Amino acid sequence: DAGVTQSPTHLIKTRGQHVTLRCSPISGHKSVSWYQQVLGQGPQFIFQYYEKEERGRGNFPDRFSARQFPNYSSELNVNALLLGDSALYLCASSFSQDEQYFGPGTRLTVT
Amino acid sequence: GENVEQHPSTLSVQEGDSAVIKCTYSDSASNYFPWYKQELGKRPQLIIDIRSNVGEKKDQRIAVTLNKTAKHFSLHITETQPEDSAVYFCAASRGQAGTALIFGKGTTLSVSS
Repeated sequence: DAGVTQSPTHLIKTRGQHVTLRCSPISGHKSVSWYQQVLGQGPQFIFQYYEKEERGRGNFPDRFSARQFPNYSSELNVNALLLGDSALYLCASSFSQDEQYFGPGTRLTVT
Repeated sequence: GENVEQHPSTLSVQEGDSAVIKCTYSDSASNYFPWYKQELGKRPQLIIDIRSNVGEKKDQRIAVTLNKTAKHFSLHITETQPEDSAVYFCAASRGQAGTALIFGKGTTLSVSS
């Protein structure tokens, strides 16, 4: 079985640019959550989507947005990139509301 | 909101010894407590979890205990091996739609042979 997949693996952007990160959940999972992991810290919650609806949002600015598609894949968008947005962005999928399985992440570097 | 504290931040043990990592949480409504292992450059991997209706759960060399009254939960690894070396994260959640996993800051476990 395929696990959670994310693309791209790595990304380098300039301050002020926009970025789109993509995630495909495990087959049969309808919930996708996004987390930001800064080096040396635990993942921080950004969004959760279930059945294509936003079900939760963490303490992140409006520059961060996301959506979930009919096939349950998801996109995370970040506008007006700041140096502080440099991090590993993790997507997690779940069948129930609790057990979450993470993808390999997208390493975003903002210069 | 929920706050999860994790100790110690680093832990060094000899191969074959036991390792214990402890976490405390603040939200009494939290009822799901997973543990993740993250090797360098890899994704966090769910290794064990516990729900609030049980006090202990074991899976081979790994066990987790939960004290809801004290809002503590702990990860116990017995007979440690070099491949157990990684960063371990505890997390807490209400386990409902839209609720996040709130993570601790992680424990770097080093097992030397």
